[in-house]
Amino acid sequence: EAGVVQSPRYKIIEKKQPVAFWCNPISGHNTLYWYLQNLGQGPELLIRYENEEAVDDSQLPKDRFSAERLKGVDSTLKIQPAELGDSAVYLCASSFRGSRNEQYFGPGTRLTVT
Amino acid sequence: AQTVTQSQPEMSVQEAETVTLSCTYDTSENNYYLFWYKQPPSRQMILVIRQEAYKQQNATENRFSVNFQKAAKSFSLKISDSQLGDTAMYFCAFMNPTGANSKLTFGKGITLSVRP
Repeated sequence: EAGVVQSPRYKIIEKKQPVAFWCNPISGHNTLYWYLQNLGQGPELLIRYENEEAVDDSQLPKDRFSAERLKGVDSTLKIQPAELGDSAVYLCASSFRGSRNEQYFGPGTRLTVT
Repeated sequence: AQTVTQSQPEMSVQEAETVTLSCTYDTSENNYYLFWYKQPPSRQMILVIRQEAYKQQNATENRFSVNFQKAAKSFSLKISDSQLGDTAMYFCAFMNPTGANSKLTFGKGITLSVRP
């Protein structure tokens, strides 16, 4: 079974530029999460989807961040415009209702804003 | 709000020995789950072990076991017969599984180095 796929793995952009990250969850997983992980810290939830509905986006900085999961499968997280402080690893995870609340993580996208 | 505290930033252990990683948490909930995740240098986060709060028996997974003390809100991970591949960051995480709160709250992590 394929795991959670994320692309790109690495991205370097200049500040004020837009950037987008893509995530494809494990097949059949209805719940998808985007996490932000700063260096030396644990991941922090940005947004959680149940199918195509964003059920928890309270930690998403909506002035510059947006996300979508139009068909309830893959998802895109966008930052526009990027700031120096956005440099971090963006992790995607998925889970299946009834899977004992276990989340499976992708390899992450390391963003560097210069 | 729930908080998870991992007070040890780094630990080191000799190969084949046993090491214990500490974690405490704070919650007013009675039903919740606790997890230990491993994140090797490649950064893929992997679930190591899981504990349901309503279960008194400590979870075990091969060389990994936990010491869950619900009253003390403590959840430590014991790694027996440490292997070089255990070198990674380890994160303790909390989840309240009900409704909109079914998200993972992570501690800051601990860097474990296994010495040959």
